[in-house]
Amino acid sequence: KAGVTQTPRYLIKTRGQQVTLSCSPISGHRSVSWYQQTPGQGLQFLFEYFSETQRNKGNFPGRFSGRQFSNSRSEMNVSTLELGDSALYLCASSLVTRQADTQYFGPGTRLTVL
Amino acid sequence: AQSVTQLDSQVPVFEEAPVELRCNYSSSVSVYLFWYVQYPNQGLQLLLKYLSGSTLVKGINGFEAEFNKSQTSFHLRKPSVHISDTAEYFCAVSEWGAQKLVFGQGTRLTINP
Repeated sequence: KAGVTQTPRYLIKTRGQQVTLSCSPISGHRSVSWYQQTPGQGLQFLFEYFSETQRNKGNFPGRFSGRQFSNSRSEMNVSTLELGDSALYLCASSLVTRQADTQYFGPGTRLTVL
Repeated sequence: AQSVTQLDSQVPVFEEAPVELRCNYSSSVSVYLFWYVQYPNQGLQLLLKYLSGSTLVKGINGFEAEFNKSQTSFHLRKPSVHISDTAEYFCAVSEWGAQKLVFGQGTRLTINP
C-alpha cells in the first residue's frame, strides 16, 4: 500500500503571499490531520478532517485553513504568509475506529517564507 | 488539556549501550500514549503505542516502553542501541476518541561508535 504523500516537498514563498499544500492519505483512510513543526514550537496540531468535515482545530490564526475532498485528499492553505510560518508541515492519515488509530505521517512539505 | 514533557532534549550514548528516553504527561482525562521517531528529512514513524492492558508495550526496532499511571510516565527503552537509531524521538498523547496528538519537544538520540 502506498504511504501518505505530500506535495510539493519544498516551497519558497515571500511574505504576504498565500500557499496551498496537498496531502493524499493512505487508501481507505478517512481521517487526515495536519501538523506544523518548527524548531521553536515543536510539533503543533493544526486541524483534522474526517468525511470532508473539520472535527478538531488547533490554536492557529484564521490564516490557516484546510479542506478535505470526497476522496479523502486534503489541502491546507495559508494566506498572507509571515516569516514565522516557515516550517515543516506534516500530514497524517488514519482509519477511524472507536479507539485511537495509528496516524501515519507523510514526509512533509518544507515551507520557507522570505 | 494535555501536555507532554520530554525530560532530555539530547541523549548521547555509545553503540550497544542501553538507553532510556523519558516522557511525562499531564491530562485530566484518559489518554492514549505514543512514541514516534523522526529520521533526518523524513516524517514521523510510529514506534509503539499504549492503549490499554499490559503496561509494558513492545514496538518496532527492539524498543519498548512502560506506562506508569501513578507517575504519569511513559519512558522508552532499548537494551542495546545501534548507529541506525540516531534520530529524534517524540512522545505524544491523544485524548480517547480524538485524532489530535499532543507532542513533547523531542529527544535527539546520538549514538557514538
